[in-house]
Amino acid sequence: QSVLTQPPSVSAAPGQKVTISCSGSSSNIGNNYVSWYQQLPGTAPKLLICDNNKRPSGIPDRFSGSKSGTSATLGITGLQTGDEADYYCGTWDSSLSAYVFGTGTKVTVL
Amino acid sequence: EVQLVESGGGLVQPGGSLRLSCAASGFTFSSYWMSWVRQAPGKGLEWVANIKQDGSEKYYVVSVKGRFTISRDNAKSSLYLQMDSLRAEDTAVYYCARVGVSAAIGELDHWGQGTLVTVSS
Repeated sequence: QSVLTQPPSVSAAPGQKVTISCSGSSSNIGNNYVSWYQQLPGTAPKLLICDNNKRPSGIPDRFSGSKSGTSATLGITGLQTGDEADYYCGTWDSSLSAYVFGTGTKVTVL
Repeated sequence: EVQLVESGGGLVQPGGSLRLSCAASGFTFSSYWMSWVRQAPGKGLEWVANIKQDGSEKYYVVSVKGRFTISRDNAKSSLYLQMDSLRAEDTAVYYCARVGVSAAIGELDHWGQGTLVTVSS
């Protein structure tokens, strides 16, 4: 059972915006950086956002991240069919001494 | 270009053992923490273990403590996961991943393609 909670699914039409929430606690999100990962069908996960809001090289600025207290949010603007994937938040949990992932959110482009 | 290539997966009976390997290239392997992450069929991601650059610190998810051992050979730029006393619930694709900063707590910035481990009689 994951310690980070995400909505199971979100959807929107092409060109629209979606946001994905990730809820945790003071032992994880509250005191550590959050990352976001994209997993396209049948492929390995890929880092989208690190350090709460930084995009690695090659990640388009349509993807953004933010953090407030014990929650984090991933935003995707200008939604494209190629964005259909599972998205996971992740961070270190200082109480567990373990890296923890969110429950995962499936993004569907209508 | 950073490359991580896992191998060693396969079918094993409950209670059996398996050793996974991850060959790294395109970066200075000895400068990074490394991780194993797994994903059961149709399920989400689960972090399994981390190992420090020199192998002196290791962390494990509770469910594998005492059964799995993470190790590395910096001379061979290779990461390993020794899995003993395997259970059906260990069935998953196992990914090797690089930790993107100098500490255990950083993001997983590069991933391998994964290797499938199936535990079944």
